Amino acid sequence: GAVVSQHPSRVICKSGTSVKIECRSLDFQATTMFWYRQFPKQSLMLMATSNEGSKATYEQGVEKDKFLINHASLTLSTLTVTSAHPEDSSFYICSARGGSMGELFFGEGSRLTVL
Amino acid sequence: AQRVTQPEKLLSVFKGAPVELKCNYSYSGSPELFWYVQYSRQRLQLLLRHISRESIKGFTADLNKGETSFHLKKPFAQEEDSAMYYCALKGTSYDKVIFGPGTSLSVIP
Repeated sequence: GAVVSQHPSRVICKSGTSVKIECRSLDFQATTMFWYRQFPKQSLMLMATSNEGSKATYEQGVEKDKFLINHASLTLSTLTVTSAHPEDSSFYICSARGGSMGELFFGEGSRLTVL
Repeated sequence: AQRVTQPEKLLSVFKGAPVELKCNYSYSGSPELFWYVQYSRQRLQLLLRHISRESIKGFTADLNKGETSFHLKKPFAQEEDSAMYYCALKGTSYDKVIFGPGTSLSVIP
């Protein structure tokens, strides 16, 4: 099946710095990718839809200047958490639609810890 | 507004017993419904989707539009079924998928 890869899987940063997380579709092209955030023992919360070659569509309540999304190619979307604060610490998961049935494939997730 | 609810956060059943994970949704149109599963230390993966009408790993789910439900069922639970299960919805007018809060299934040997 289709594979989605995220990098890094874990990152620790100081408060005030920016962190970039990459999401790649390894064996298929994805014009649309989705970024989710998951708090401990909670569900996935959709943050934004990343569209190749155009601006991302953010969900209500998600700060677009805080969470910068770039989808520069058909296989890569990046999420940059700018001026990170401890409350941004979370598990970030990306997904992309692929395969013959157009199902969602998920990355392994990236755990961000802001000190 | 679209919404997915799963009333049970935790569900424990004995091995060999039937299991049902409940899911209800609210959506004004005709949505696509899915069940995703996340085994320990693994990524989220699709278990089944209502349009496929198939049984995966012994699990089935029927979309009941009258009750706006999409409950997941398996007649005989196995230990390897222990995992986190998420019900999800995709509307017809948009591409994004909304997830329910999830149910943690624990199958007791």
